[in-house]
Amino acid sequence: DVKVTQSSRYLVKRTGEKVFLECVQDMDHENMFWYRQDPGLGLRLIYFSYDVKMKEKGDIPEGYSVSREKKERFSLILESASTNQTSMYLCATESSAGGAGSYEQYFGPGTRLTVT
Amino acid sequence: AQKITQTQPGMFVQEKEAVTLDCTYDTSDPSYGLFWYKQPSSGEMIFLIYQGSYDQQNATEGRYSLNFQKARKSANLVISASQLGDSAMYFCAMRPHSGAGSYQLTFGKGTKLSVIP
Repeated sequence: DVKVTQSSRYLVKRTGEKVFLECVQDMDHENMFWYRQDPGLGLRLIYFSYDVKMKEKGDIPEGYSVSREKKERFSLILESASTNQTSMYLCATESSAGGAGSYEQYFGPGTRLTVT
Repeated sequence: AQKITQTQPGMFVQEKEAVTLDCTYDTSDPSYGLFWYKQPSSGEMIFLIYQGSYDQQNATEGRYSLNFQKARKSANLVISASQLGDSAMYFCAMRPHSGAGSYQLTFGKGTKLSVIP
């Protein structure tokens, strides 16, 4: 079974703090994703990575950056947290084998971040 | 660009009954995949079922089936014999099979299903 873990289930940070959310997967998948989930808005893609050190912006990258130094690890960074970044953050992973668009993404348990 | 519409914010179903969750989509891509995910209150997204746009038959996975009507651009999820554990948020999603956008899953806003004993 694919296992995707996230560093924290719940996190409380203050406005202006630098925040690191970490995601680790154990299935050697090439592609990793960070989503943000807000009530009534569904999931929105922040960034994704298709290889080590490679990244692409999603729909809402403003205020976020990412780092992928190792294949199994994908970090989401909030350089200066703001209250409008209070949300649920979900990491996902998938294999690129077999052709794009055909395979499901596997999700981690999520991190519920509160910025006060 | 792709768009997913789930028009039912909330649904109720009696235990052991079947329920249909609606999903319509809009895309200009000729080939694409459609997905359904379940999100229990614990938060983790669980993959349920996949349908390719060129698949001739509707996808089925156990109690889940996908009623795919390509001309109407709909991909409704049917859950048969509902169980209390089916109470959760359900998300419809899609992605193209090729091109730069093929990395990206586009999600609907979800439907909250409540199963009544």
